[in-house]
Amino acid sequence: GQQLNQSPQSMFIQEGEDVSMNCTSSSIFNTWLWYKQDPGEGPVLLIALYKAGELTSNGRLTAQFGITRKDSFLNISASIPSDVGIYFCAGDQTSNSGYALNFGKGTSLLVTP
Amino acid sequence: DTGVSQDPRHKITKRGQNVTFRCDPISEHNRLYWYRQTLGQGPEFLTYFQNEAQLEKSRLLSDRFSAERPKGSFSTLEIQRTEQGDSAMYLCASSSDRQETQYFGPGTRLLVL
Repeated sequence: GQQLNQSPQSMFIQEGEDVSMNCTSSSIFNTWLWYKQDPGEGPVLLIALYKAGELTSNGRLTAQFGITRKDSFLNISASIPSDVGIYFCAGDQTSNSGYALNFGKGTSLLVTP
Repeated sequence: DTGVSQDPRHKITKRGQNVTFRCDPISEHNRLYWYRQTLGQGPEFLTYFQNEAQLEKSRLLSDRFSAERPKGSFSTLEIQRTEQGDSAMYLCASSSDRQETQYFGPGTRLLVL
């Protein structure tokens, strides 16, 4: 699959700060998804984006599907300690034979009280 | 419905043994996926089922790996003659025809000694 480049690799912030992370690819994707994963657990879906230019919010989270369809960002406002975890972006190229997701390597977020 | 479930959650085995994992998707989802995740990486696609038909396999799925979904509901992933390099988290996800968004289970963590 196509490699997604996620940045930053890790972030260490104080509670209450805003966070921004992004994901880029050399290929076009039809869908962008953002997941959060806690240690020893499966990824949990945060936001799904289906159209280029789409801006979607889920509580304190906001994500956008880049207009070129090759990038996406995720913002977290007013971070809290339970935001700690690894955030993954995933893209879906929706080939004729399947719908395999391509994942980035994740952004590790640490929030101090 | 509480989401995708996987069993067991953890498995420790000796090199050369066979292991089998089970995934129960969200009940109305006809699409089922298997991914593998190693430390510090995002999930990597292994295989995809639409109902009982296995429609896509990754090159990561060596001939020691086999997956089935005999009745189009639960799926099993078997690894024969396990190797230490098979140690990873094995994730299952499901989605419906109407929405491509994939929902993940909690994973099965495999350790091959």
